[in-house]
Amino acid sequence: QQQVKQSPQSLIVQKGGISIINCAYENTAFDYFPWYQQFPGKGPALLIAIRPDVSEKKEGRFTISFNKSAKQFSLHIMDSQPGDSATYFCAASMGGSQGNLIFGKGTKLSVKP
Amino acid sequence: NAGVTQTPKFQVLKTGQSMTLQCAQDMNHNSMYWYRQDPGMGLRLIYYSASEGTTDKGEVPNGYNVSRLNKREFSLRLESAAPSQTSVYFCASSWTREGRDEQFFGPGTRLTVL
Repeated sequence: QQQVKQSPQSLIVQKGGISIINCAYENTAFDYFPWYQQFPGKGPALLIAIRPDVSEKKEGRFTISFNKSAKQFSLHIMDSQPGDSATYFCAASMGGSQGNLIFGKGTKLSVKP
Repeated sequence: NAGVTQTPKFQVLKTGQSMTLQCAQDMNHNSMYWYRQDPGMGLRLIYYSASEGTTDKGEVPNGYNVSRLNKREFSLRLESAAPSQTSVYFCASSWTREGRDEQFFGPGTRLTVL
Protein backbone atom coordinates (compact mmCIF):
# COMPACT_ATOMS: atom_id res chain seq x y z
CA GLN A 1 0.00 0.00 0.00
CA GLN A 2 1.46 3.29 -1.06
CA GLN A 3 1.48 5.65 1.87
CA VAL A 4 2.64 9.05 2.89
CA LYS A 5 2.72 9.58 6.64
CA GLN A 6 2.46 13.16 7.86
CA SER A 7 3.05 14.63 11.30
CA PRO A 8 2.05 16.39 13.42
CA GLN A 9 -1.71 16.42 12.97
CA SER A 10 -1.88 19.94 14.37
CA LEU A 11 0.66 22.60 15.20
CA ILE A 12 0.51 25.87 17.09
CA VAL A 13 3.33 28.34 16.54
CA GLN A 14 3.88 31.89 17.74
CA LYS A 15 4.18 34.65 15.18
CA GLY A 16 7.77 34.87 14.00
CA GLY A 17 8.54 31.29 14.90
CA ILE A 18 9.48 28.35 12.67
CA SER A 19 6.82 25.84 11.68
CA ILE A 20 8.04 22.36 10.78
CA ILE A 21 5.88 19.63 9.25
CA ASN A 22 7.29 16.21 8.49
CA CYS A 23 6.39 13.50 6.01
CA ALA A 24 7.70 10.01 5.40
CA TYR A 25 7.07 7.74 2.46
CA GLU A 26 7.57 4.08 1.71
CA ASN A 27 7.64 3.69 -2.06
CA THR A 28 11.11 4.44 -3.43
CA ALA A 29 9.55 4.88 -6.88
CA PHE A 30 8.10 8.23 -5.81
CA ASP A 31 9.96 11.00 -7.60
CA TYR A 32 7.94 14.14 -7.00
CA PHE A 33 7.01 15.61 -3.63
CA PRO A 34 4.66 18.62 -3.55
CA TRP A 35 3.15 20.48 -0.64
CA TYR A 36 -0.37 21.85 -0.91
CA GLN A 37 -1.81 24.61 1.28
CA GLN A 38 -5.51 24.81 2.07
CA PHE A 39 -7.29 27.73 3.71
CA PRO A 40 -10.66 27.15 5.42
CA GLY A 41 -13.49 26.86 2.93
CA LYS A 42 -11.13 26.70 -0.06
CA GLY A 43 -9.60 24.02 -2.20
CA PRO A 44 -5.92 23.07 -1.78
CA ALA A 45 -3.35 24.96 -3.82
CA LEU A 46 0.21 24.02 -4.70
CA LEU A 47 2.69 25.74 -2.41
CA ILE A 48 6.08 24.28 -3.28
CA ALA A 49 7.46 21.02 -4.67
CA ILE A 50 10.75 19.13 -4.83
CA ARG A 51 12.30 16.32 -6.82
CA PRO A 52 14.69 13.85 -5.19
CA ASP A 53 17.76 15.04 -7.09
CA VAL A 54 18.06 18.00 -4.70
CA SER A 55 18.14 18.05 -0.90
CA GLU A 56 16.52 21.42 -0.39
CA LYS A 57 14.31 23.90 -2.19
CA LYS A 58 13.47 27.36 -0.93
CA GLU A 59 10.78 29.77 -2.04
CA GLY A 60 10.56 32.85 0.11
CA ARG A 61 9.82 31.79 3.69
CA PHE A 62 8.98 28.22 2.66
CA THR A 63 11.64 25.51 2.41
CA ILE A 64 11.40 21.81 1.63
CA SER A 65 14.15 19.63 3.03
CA PHE A 66 14.50 16.19 1.45
CA ASN A 67 16.34 13.16 2.83
CA LYS A 68 16.31 10.43 0.22
CA SER A 69 18.08 7.79 2.31
CA ALA A 70 15.62 8.24 5.17
CA LYS A 71 12.66 8.56 2.80
CA GLN A 72 11.57 11.70 4.56
CA PHE A 73 10.84 15.26 3.59
CA SER A 74 9.73 18.27 5.55
CA LEU A 75 8.27 21.73 5.13
CA HIS A 76 9.80 24.60 7.08
CA ILE A 77 7.98 27.92 7.35
CA MET A 78 10.32 30.62 8.58
CA ASP A 79 9.04 33.75 10.35
CA SER A 80 5.56 32.21 10.54
CA GLN A 81 2.69 34.69 10.19
CA PRO A 82 -1.00 34.50 11.18
CA GLY A 83 -1.79 34.48 7.45
CA ASP A 84 0.04 31.15 7.20
CA SER A 85 -2.66 29.53 9.35
CA ALA A 86 -4.01 26.77 7.11
CA THR A 87 -3.94 23.05 6.60
CA TYR A 88 -0.87 21.72 4.85
CA PHE A 89 -0.75 18.48 2.90
CA CYS A 90 2.36 16.72 1.73
CA ALA A 91 2.03 14.43 -1.25
CA ALA A 92 4.06 12.13 -3.45
CA SER A 93 3.77 10.69 -6.91
CA MET A 94 5.70 8.50 -9.28
CA GLY A 95 5.51 10.96 -12.13
CA GLY A 96 4.92 9.68 -15.60
CA SER A 97 1.46 8.64 -16.66
CA GLN A 98 0.94 6.73 -13.42
CA GLY A 99 1.24 9.93 -11.48
CA ASN A 100 -1.66 9.86 -9.06
CA LEU A 101 -0.83 12.06 -6.10
CA ILE A 102 -0.83 10.25 -2.76
CA PHE A 103 -1.63 12.76 -0.03
CA GLY A 104 -0.69 12.78 3.62
CA LYS A 105 -3.48 13.30 6.11
CA GLY A 106 -2.74 16.96 6.64
CA THR A 107 -1.42 19.27 9.36
CA LYS A 108 -3.53 22.10 10.69
CA LEU A 109 -1.23 25.02 11.45
CA SER A 110 -2.30 27.87 13.71
CA VAL A 111 0.02 30.84 14.03
CA LYS A 112 -0.77 32.92 17.11
CA PRO A 113 -0.19 36.68 16.99
CA ASN B 1 -10.47 32.88 -15.78
CA ALA B 2 -12.73 31.14 -13.27
CA GLY B 3 -10.35 28.16 -12.93
CA VAL B 4 -12.20 25.14 -11.55
CA THR B 5 -15.81 25.66 -10.57
CA GLN B 6 -18.04 23.27 -8.66
CA THR B 7 -21.78 23.18 -8.05
CA PRO B 8 -23.47 23.03 -5.66
CA LYS B 9 -21.44 24.43 -2.75
CA PHE B 10 -23.57 22.67 -0.15
CA GLN B 11 -26.04 19.79 -0.31
CA VAL B 12 -28.03 17.76 2.19
CA LEU B 13 -29.40 14.40 1.08
CA LYS B 14 -31.38 11.65 2.71
CA THR B 15 -30.06 8.12 2.61
CA GLY B 16 -30.91 6.53 -0.72
CA GLN B 17 -31.29 9.75 -2.66
CA SER B 18 -29.20 10.40 -5.74
CA MET B 19 -27.40 13.49 -6.93
CA THR B 20 -24.76 14.70 -9.35
CA LEU B 21 -21.90 17.01 -8.45
CA GLN B 22 -20.83 19.20 -11.31
CA CYS B 23 -17.31 20.38 -12.13
CA ALA B 24 -16.01 22.54 -14.93
CA GLN B 25 -12.59 24.00 -15.76
CA ASP B 26 -11.67 26.72 -18.21
CA MET B 27 -7.91 26.12 -18.36
CA ASN B 28 -8.04 23.69 -21.29
CA HIS B 29 -6.67 20.95 -19.06
CA ASN B 30 -6.75 17.37 -20.28
CA SER B 31 -6.94 15.61 -16.90
CA MET B 32 -9.57 15.95 -14.22
CA TYR B 33 -10.03 14.38 -10.80
CA TRP B 34 -12.55 13.89 -8.03
CA TYR B 35 -11.34 13.71 -4.41
CA ARG B 36 -13.09 13.43 -1.10
CA GLN B 37 -11.75 15.02 2.05
CA ASP B 38 -12.65 13.67 5.46
CA PRO B 39 -11.32 14.88 8.83
CA GLY B 40 -8.01 13.21 9.62
CA MET B 41 -8.02 11.32 6.31
CA GLY B 42 -6.49 13.80 3.92
CA LEU B 43 -7.52 13.80 0.28
CA ARG B 44 -8.48 10.51 -1.31
CA LEU B 45 -8.91 10.06 -5.04
CA ILE B 46 -12.32 8.75 -6.12
CA TYR B 47 -12.05 8.79 -9.92
CA TYR B 48 -9.96 10.50 -12.51
CA SER B 49 -10.08 11.19 -16.22
CA ALA B 50 -6.74 11.33 -17.96
CA SER B 51 -8.28 12.78 -21.10
CA GLU B 52 -11.64 13.39 -22.70
CA GLY B 53 -13.43 10.08 -23.17
CA THR B 54 -11.54 8.12 -20.51
CA THR B 55 -12.22 7.55 -16.82
CA ASP B 56 -10.50 5.37 -14.23
CA LYS B 57 -11.03 4.36 -10.64
CA GLY B 58 -8.99 5.89 -7.88
CA GLU B 59 -8.54 4.76 -4.30
CA VAL B 60 -12.18 4.94 -3.12
CA PRO B 61 -14.56 4.51 -6.12
CA ASN B 62 -17.29 2.40 -4.53
CA GLY B 63 -20.69 4.09 -4.53
CA TYR B 64 -19.75 6.65 -7.18
CA ASN B 65 -19.90 7.01 -10.93
CA VAL B 66 -18.38 9.67 -13.14
CA SER B 67 -18.90 11.14 -16.57
CA ARG B 68 -16.39 13.15 -18.58
CA LEU B 69 -18.98 15.08 -20.54
CA ASN B 70 -16.44 16.97 -22.64
CA LYS B 71 -12.98 18.42 -22.11
CA ARG B 72 -14.28 21.05 -19.69
CA GLU B 73 -16.73 19.08 -17.57
CA PHE B 74 -16.39 16.11 -15.22
CA SER B 75 -19.35 15.09 -13.08
CA LEU B 76 -19.59 12.80 -10.06
CA ARG B 77 -22.81 10.90 -9.38
CA LEU B 78 -24.01 9.28 -6.20
CA GLU B 79 -26.73 6.81 -7.20
CA SER B 80 -27.89 5.91 -3.70
CA ALA B 81 -26.33 8.13 -1.08
CA ALA B 82 -25.17 6.67 2.24
CA PRO B 83 -24.14 8.45 5.47
CA SER B 84 -20.57 7.24 4.84
CA GLN B 85 -20.52 9.52 1.82
CA THR B 86 -20.84 12.61 4.00
CA SER B 87 -17.72 14.52 3.05
CA VAL B 88 -16.28 17.51 1.25
CA TYR B 89 -15.77 16.75 -2.43
CA PHE B 90 -13.11 18.48 -4.50
CA CYS B 91 -12.70 18.49 -8.23
CA ALA B 92 -9.27 19.21 -9.68
CA SER B 93 -7.66 19.48 -13.08
CA SER B 94 -4.16 19.42 -14.57
CA TRP B 95 -2.55 19.65 -17.99
CA THR B 96 -1.70 15.97 -18.12
CA ARG B 97 -1.67 12.88 -15.91
CA GLU B 98 2.01 13.44 -15.28
CA GLY B 99 2.53 13.31 -11.55
CA ARG B 100 4.58 16.52 -11.70
CA ASP B 101 1.79 18.58 -13.21
CA GLU B 102 0.24 20.97 -10.74
CA GLN B 103 -3.33 20.13 -9.89
CA PHE B 104 -5.76 23.03 -9.62
CA PHE B 105 -8.60 22.49 -7.18
CA GLY B 106 -12.12 23.83 -7.09
CA PRO B 107 -13.70 25.32 -3.95
CA GLY B 108 -15.40 22.06 -2.94
CA THR B 109 -18.91 20.76 -2.33
CA ARG B 110 -19.88 20.01 1.26
CA LEU B 111 -22.27 17.05 1.23
CA THR B 112 -24.21 15.75 4.21
CA VAL B 113 -26.15 12.50 3.97
CA LEU B 114 -28.69 11.98 6.73
